[in-house]
Amino acid sequence: QKEVEQNSGPLSVPEGAIASLNCTYSDRGSQSFFWYRQYSGKSPELIMSIYSNGDKEDGRFTAQLNKASQYVSLLIRDSQPSDSATYLCAVKEFTGTASKLTFGTGTRLQVTL
Amino acid sequence: DAGITQSPRYKITETGRQVTLMCHQTWSHSYMFWYRQDLGHGLRLIYYSAAADITDKGEVSDGYVVSRSKTENFPLTLESATRSQTSVYFCASRDQENIQYFGAGTRLSVL
Repeated sequence: QKEVEQNSGPLSVPEGAIASLNCTYSDRGSQSFFWYRQYSGKSPELIMSIYSNGDKEDGRFTAQLNKASQYVSLLIRDSQPSDSATYLCAVKEFTGTASKLTFGTGTRLQVTL
Repeated sequence: DAGITQSPRYKITETGRQVTLMCHQTWSHSYMFWYRQDLGHGLRLIYYSAAADITDKGEVSDGYVVSRSKTENFPLTLESATRSQTSVYFCASRDQENIQYFGAGTRLSVL
């Protein structure tokens, strides 16, 4: 069973600060990585996808991938109270006939005023 | 409405009863998935389907059955509900960019 590891948190950051969320994965062959945000009582929604080593920026969000270290991270700049949620890291894996996502257990982020 | 819808949103049942959770998507995505989400375990895959009439087990499939006779529907059945199946269930579909879209979820309580 492929594993995706995240610190469960809560990670507490003050408003306006940078939040850094980390994820490690066990399958060295993984090629596709995703960050989902889940508000309490709601369903997960995609924030970012990343497929190549390096950084990918989208607004206040930056995803970082290091395949050699099997590490993917999400940076949130200028954190806002509305960013308070659980962030799920997901890694795509192939099962031979199909592909599916393996999710980490998520990191709960709290942005304080 | 376009998108992916789940029904019911909330369900209370008793142990031993059969329960079916419904999932419908309007995008004609080939892939569909069922997950359960529990505290401390995150999202765990129950079953997935690559196309109509093609289904496969995920990591926690015991006690569950699925069918996919039409592309747009992917119902999940608990054959004989147990208390350990109390959970939040999410259905998802995936587009050609490998992005998964989730339904609003079904909160199931087995008493």
